[in-house]
Amino acid sequence: DAGVIQSPRHEVTEMGQEVTLRCKPISGHDYLFWYRQTMMRGLELLIYFNNNVPIDDSGMPEDRFSAKMPNASFSTLKIQPSEPRDSAVYFCASSSQTLGNTIYFGEGSWLTVV
Amino acid sequence: AQSVSQHNHHVILSEAASLELGCNYSYGGTVNLFWYVQYPGQHLQLLLKYFSGDPLVKGIKGFEAEFIKSKFSFNLRKPSVQWSDTAEYFCALAPGNAGNMLTFGGGTRLMVKP
Repeated sequence: DAGVIQSPRHEVTEMGQEVTLRCKPISGHDYLFWYRQTMMRGLELLIYFNNNVPIDDSGMPEDRFSAKMPNASFSTLKIQPSEPRDSAVYFCASSSQTLGNTIYFGEGSWLTVV
Repeated sequence: AQSVSQHNHHVILSEAASLELGCNYSYGGTVNLFWYVQYPGQHLQLLLKYFSGDPLVKGIKGFEAEFIKSKFSFNLRKPSVQWSDTAEYFCALAPGNAGNMLTFGGGTRLMVKP
């Protein structure tokens, strides 16, 4: 199994630009999560989907952040417009309720907004 | 709401020393507990998990953790650490009826000196 695949691995962008992070969950998993990791705040759950439907987006910091899951094998996290305080590592993760609920993480997208 | 506390933010040990990382949680119901490890520059990987049964859980790489319900604790242990164990360790909790909804502790950075 290829695991959770994220792209891009690293991105440097200028303040005000739109950023789109992509995720391909493990095939067959019905849950998908977006986490953000910073030194100051640690790991935070931003949003999660079940069967492609957003269930809880209470962790999304503000309206500049949006996430979609158009099908079972693809999700995006978009930041528009980006700000320097959005600089962080964004992890996508997936799990299966029928396969033990263990959450598997992708390798992360390292975002720097200058 | 649930919470997870890891009181040791930084731990420095010499090789072959024994390790114990503290994890305490707050939640009124049944819990699923996890330890994840994040090696420098990498994603989170599952070390071990507790769902039910034997409260002493053995994981990969010689790690183990003990669930003590009366103390709301799930401490991670390893009898003899190696330089390669240098990483950040995260304790996490999921409510028993929502095994996918992880709440992470703040993490403990372990440095093992050769």
